[in-house]
Order: sequence, then C-alpha cells, then structure tokens
Amino acid sequence: ETGVTQSPTHLIKTRGQQVTLRCSSQSGHNTVSWYQQALGQGPQFIFQYYREEENGRGNFPPRFSGLQFPNYSSELNVNALELDDSALYLCASSLAGESSYGYTFGSGTRLTVV
Amino acid sequence: AQRVTQPEKLLSVFKGAPVELKCNYSYSGSPELFWYVQYSRQRLQLLLRHISRESIKGFTADLNKGETSFHLKKPFAQEEDSAMYYCALRPTSGTYKYIFGTGTRLKVLA
Repeated sequence: ETGVTQSPTHLIKTRGQQVTLRCSSQSGHNTVSWYQQALGQGPQFIFQYYREEENGRGNFPPRFSGLQFPNYSSELNVNALELDDSALYLCASSLAGESSYGYTFGSGTRLTVV
Repeated sequence: AQRVTQPEKLLSVFKGAPVELKCNYSYSGSPELFWYVQYSRQRLQLLLRHISRESIKGFTADLNKGETSFHLKKPFAQEEDSAMYYCALRPTSGTYKYIFGTGTRLKVLA
C-alpha cells in the first residue's frame, strides 16, 4: 500500500507566475483535499475533490484551482502568485464516507514566492 | 464562527511527567475532533479521534462538550513524544473541511 506522494518537494516562483502542484492519493482513497500551511500556522483548507469535481472550498480566491483525475490523483494550480502564497501545501487523501477516520497526508510542497 | 484554539505554542515537560496539550473549539453543532502529530522530518499523521475513544501511544483525549474542549493527555511523557501536535475539528454538517489549530510543540526533556 502506497501513501500520499506530492511533487515537487520545493519550488521557487516569481510573483505573478503560475504554479502547478501534484498529488497522488493513497491506494484505495478516492477523495483528495488540499491545505495551505503558512509558517507558524495550522493547515488551512483550500478545497476537496471527489469524483473529479470540487466538493467543498475554503476561503481562497478563484486563482486557486484544482483538478482530480480518474486515478484519483490531483493537481493544485495557483495563478498570479503573490508573496503571501509562500507556504507549505499539503495534500491529504481519504475515502469518501469515511472522513471520520481522518486523512492521510503527503509530505507537502514548500512554495516560495519571491 | 468555527475555530480551534491551542493556547500553548510550546510545552516543555520532563521525561516521566504528565502531559496535557490543550484544545478548545468553537462550533455550534456536534463536531468530530482529532489530534494529529508531526514528528521531526515526518509528515502529519493522525494520532487519535474522539469517536473511537482509543488510547494511542499512551495518549488519550476526552471530548468535553460543556467546556468545548478536547485536551490531549498522557500520564508519563517519553522523549519520543517530542513533536508538533495539532488539534482538528471536522464539522458534521454541510462541509468536508477540517479546521486545524495552530499547533503546540511538545518538548520532552531528559
């Protein structure tokens, strides 16, 4: 059984650029959630994907968007990067209907916007 | 507003001493509550969930709806318990998100 894998592990982008982060969910999990964790803060919910559709969204602007693929992997896209987007981006997978069992998290992608 | 508060950024205890990591929440319904732990250089992982009423690695947490708290406790701290601990709430209606606290770093001193 494989866990959640995220790529890349680190990324440096310039303000105004666009970035794509990738996540492969744990085997058997069909739901992917993305979180942003700023330094010294807890993870903040961005959105969740189930059956290739967005299934809930936090307080993030539309320039944060995502995709889920038939194999349940997912991408997080951020357009028009701002300095405040610098954070650790966490992907978490779970099984729909089993959210009471909690998430399995990836190691995260550290994004630095300069 | 839905919120999770962990009042201590850092908690230092000696090995063998009792540990209590505080978590208070704000939610009008019946939430599901969790503790997640992140050991050094490892990913965030689930430690325990209130609905299972389990003890993991000697840790327990009881949901107190009157005080809206879900404190994490262990009677005798071990050095390997040193880590970052996050309390999380999952609202049980209309949303799939988890709300995390800002975390407490536990340092167990030899």
